[in-house]
Amino acid sequence: KQEVTQIPAALSVPEGENLVLNCSFTDSAIYNLQWFRQDPGKGLTSLLLIQSSQREQTSGRLNASLDKSSGRSTLYIAASQPGDSATYLCAVEVVNAGKSTFGDGTTLTVKP
Amino acid sequence: DGGITQSPKYLFRKEGQNVTLSCEQNLNHDAMYWYRQDPGQGLRLIYYSQIVNDFQKGDIAEGYSVSREKKESFPLTVTSAQKNPTAFYLCASRPTFDYGYTFGSGTRLTVV
Repeated sequence: KQEVTQIPAALSVPEGENLVLNCSFTDSAIYNLQWFRQDPGKGLTSLLLIQSSQREQTSGRLNASLDKSSGRSTLYIAASQPGDSATYLCAVEVVNAGKSTFGDGTTLTVKP
Repeated sequence: DGGITQSPKYLFRKEGQNVTLSCEQNLNHDAMYWYRQDPGQGLRLIYYSQIVNDFQKGDIAEGYSVSREKKESFPLTVTSAQKNPTAFYLCASRPTFDYGYTFGSGTRLTVV
């Protein structure tokens, strides 16, 4: 059974800092990995989707990498802003599962 | 605009009552999913459907039921057998497996 871990559970940084969020998974036979953002009381907003054949994806100040062999993905946020404060979740889809497993998320606070 | 609509945003259930949460999408996606989220936790899969008139149990299906009579609609019924239904419920869809998810804005269910 796929297990997905996100450490740390919470992170607080000053504005302008570059930061990395981590997502670890136990089964490397994956189709894809997706990063989401969730604001309090809201649904999930997709940030980046990395297919198993890809090593990274970029969107604006965000860069997500994937290393299947080590069972890790990182989400890099450059020049963090207070508006980046949210919970970030990763979801991993194992081959032939038809569904994804979600991590519990990392709650990010960016202080002005 | 294409998207997923969940209604109502807030729902209150009395003890012993069944309630139905609505999820409608106009994205022409084949697959639809229901997740439950408890405070400080990740998403747990309740039910999912990869095609009309077919659905599968997720990790926590007990006390819930679904139907998929139309491609656009995937309603979730929380039955009186669900002893702890207070949670945030999220609906998602995607074209098929191996694609990223699109989420609705959620329904917060409270037992009164």
